[in-house]
Amino acid sequence: KAGVTQTPRYLIKTRGQQVTLSCSPISGHRSVSWYQQTPGQGLQFLFEYFSETQRNKGNFPGRFSGRQFSNSRSEMNVSTLELGDSALYLCASSPAGGITDTQYFGPGTRLTVL
Amino acid sequence: QKEVEQNSGPLSVPEGAIASLNCTYSDRGSQSFFWYRQYSGKSPELIMSIYSNGDKEDGRFTAQLNKASQYVSLLIRDSQPSDSATYLCAVNRNQGGKLIFGQGTELSVKP
Repeated sequence: KAGVTQTPRYLIKTRGQQVTLSCSPISGHRSVSWYQQTPGQGLQFLFEYFSETQRNKGNFPGRFSGRQFSNSRSEMNVSTLELGDSALYLCASSPAGGITDTQYFGPGTRLTVL
Repeated sequence: QKEVEQNSGPLSVPEGAIASLNCTYSDRGSQSFFWYRQYSGKSPELIMSIYSNGDKEDGRFTAQLNKASQYVSLLIRDSQPSDSATYLCAVNRNQGGKLIFGQGTELSVKP
């Protein structure tokens, strides 16, 4: 099976712009989770989508949003970018987001905000 | 107090030695535990998962869970230079696809 794919791999934006990141899960996986990784805060959970519904949300401002399509592909959007949004954004997929489900990570999108 | 805590390291061990990585968590409702390895510039990859008290072995890796002490560890036997990476402890508190990660422990295995 193909792994989790994320596009684009690298992005450079300026403050105030918005950005959309895409994630395609492993075939058959219906849960997609998004994480932000920074040197200072580590890996932090953003949100999880399952069957096109946001099921869990982390402690991030409303500028961070996402959605999931009927084929389980997911996008996340960050509006009004701030310098502090520079990070590696990782998505992970699992069969159903169950308690024992392993999450498989994509390669990430490296976002730099100037 | 952070929900999941790990020693940040770096932890340095000689090749062939046992590396011991530790993790504590604060929520007693946590039900599943995962160890991920992350090489520099790469994404995390699963090493081990454990759900019940006791030990779970997979090749050179052994995960240990003690729910009473809210403690989970990872032992790497016969450490190799290729094991040099950051090891992330993650906890699922039965909140769907939400993992809480520790800050990670950087392991360096010296030839």
